[in-house]
Amino acid sequence: AQSVTQLDSQVPVFEEAPVELRCNYSSSVSVYLFWYVQYPNQGLQLLLKYLSGSTLVKGINGFEAEFNKSQTSFHLRKPSVHISDTAEYFCAVTPLRGNNNDMRFGAGTRLTVKP
Amino acid sequence: DVKVTQSSRYLVKRTGEKVFLECVQDMDHENMFWYRQDPGLGLRLIYFSYDVKMKEKGDIPEGYSVSREKKERFSLILESASTNQTSMYLCASSQGQWLGEQFFGPGTRLTVL
Repeated sequence: AQSVTQLDSQVPVFEEAPVELRCNYSSSVSVYLFWYVQYPNQGLQLLLKYLSGSTLVKGINGFEAEFNKSQTSFHLRKPSVHISDTAEYFCAVTPLRGNNNDMRFGAGTRLTVKP
Repeated sequence: DVKVTQSSRYLVKRTGEKVFLECVQDMDHENMFWYRQDPGLGLRLIYFSYDVKMKEKGDIPEGYSVSREKKERFSLILESASTNQTSMYLCASSQGQWLGEQFFGPGTRLTVL
């Protein structure tokens, strides 16, 4: 089975500063990796995903993430955040083979962007 | 665009009531899921379904049941609501068994008094 650890439950940052949200995973098999974003009072929306190929993945709203197999990490980054990026961010993992019902989510990181 | 809708955004029920949460997706997806979201715990899978009339238990099925009579609709049932079922409930759907991407509804915030 897979598991996901999001190392920071809350990340406060000032507008236009860079941000990194950390995600580590554990799995005995190869995995797909995802970042989802949840804006207040909304469902989850896919930000980006890593399936294969280049380890640097670009997503919506200027976010990117880097897959590091040796460190089993998939950290999310943005060089300059906006107030509108305030949301909760979830890292998720699912095995390469098998049913995608086995998607595991981290506990979430609440990003607060201050003016 | 995939659209997943949930019947209610907010719901308040009393202990012991039977509660129905409805979810509908419009993209002919095979798989549908019900999650529960609680602060600090992330999303936990309650039940999922990979076909009409098929269902599988997730990590926390106790106190819940589901129904999938049509491909586009997946219902979560709380037979006798309890206060510890106060939570945000998220429905999701996905295509087949590859890629793994799930599409989420807006959520139902259920309060059991």
